[in-house]
Amino acid sequence: DAGVIQSPRHEVTEMGQEVTLRCKPISGHDYLFWYRQTMMRGLELLIYFNNNVPIDDSGMPEDRFSAKMPNASFSTLKIQPSEPRDSAVYFCASTKGARETQYFGPGTRLLVL
Amino acid sequence: AQTVTQSQPEMSVQEAETVTLSCTYDTSESDYYLFWYKQPPSRQMILVIRQEAYKQQNATENRFSVNFQKAAKSFSLKISDSQLGDAAMYFCAYRSHGNQFYFGTGTSLTVIP
Repeated sequence: DAGVIQSPRHEVTEMGQEVTLRCKPISGHDYLFWYRQTMMRGLELLIYFNNNVPIDDSGMPEDRFSAKMPNASFSTLKIQPSEPRDSAVYFCASTKGARETQYFGPGTRLLVL
Repeated sequence: AQTVTQSQPEMSVQEAETVTLSCTYDTSESDYYLFWYKQPPSRQMILVIRQEAYKQQNATENRFSVNFQKAAKSFSLKISDSQLGDAAMYFCAYRSHGNQFYFGTGTSLTVIP
């Protein structure tokens, strides 16, 4: 299996621009998680889906952030408008079943200027 | 709320020696999962080992083993015969019954040749 795929791997944008991060979970996995990692706050869970349905979005920092999962093989995390404090590494992870191990993607390093 | 504490921001070990990374957590649940993840400079999160709270036997994966003390809410990672490739950031993680993930702040491990 190719593992969790994220794109782009690196993104540099200017403040105010829209940013879309993409994730393809491992085939057959029914849970998908979005995380953000910064030096200051460590690793934070933003939102997770089960069978394409958002279950808990309490970690989403504010309305500028939105996430969708239109089908079992694709999810997006959108930031609009982006701000410099959104600069971080964003990870997507997936798992099969509620009690199983999460497998992380390689992450997207976002820099907002 | 559950919290995960890694009290050692940095650790170092001589190649071929053994090192133990500490992790404690706070929870009122009796059923949960614990994980250790490794994050090398590539930034990808790699699962090292996991432990189910209902299992008394400590998990082992080759050179990696854990000392799970449920009553003390402690979950340390022992790396035996340390190798240069073990150098990375190590994160302890807790997965609640409600499928929430909580991560520690990480321990940076240096392996000295």
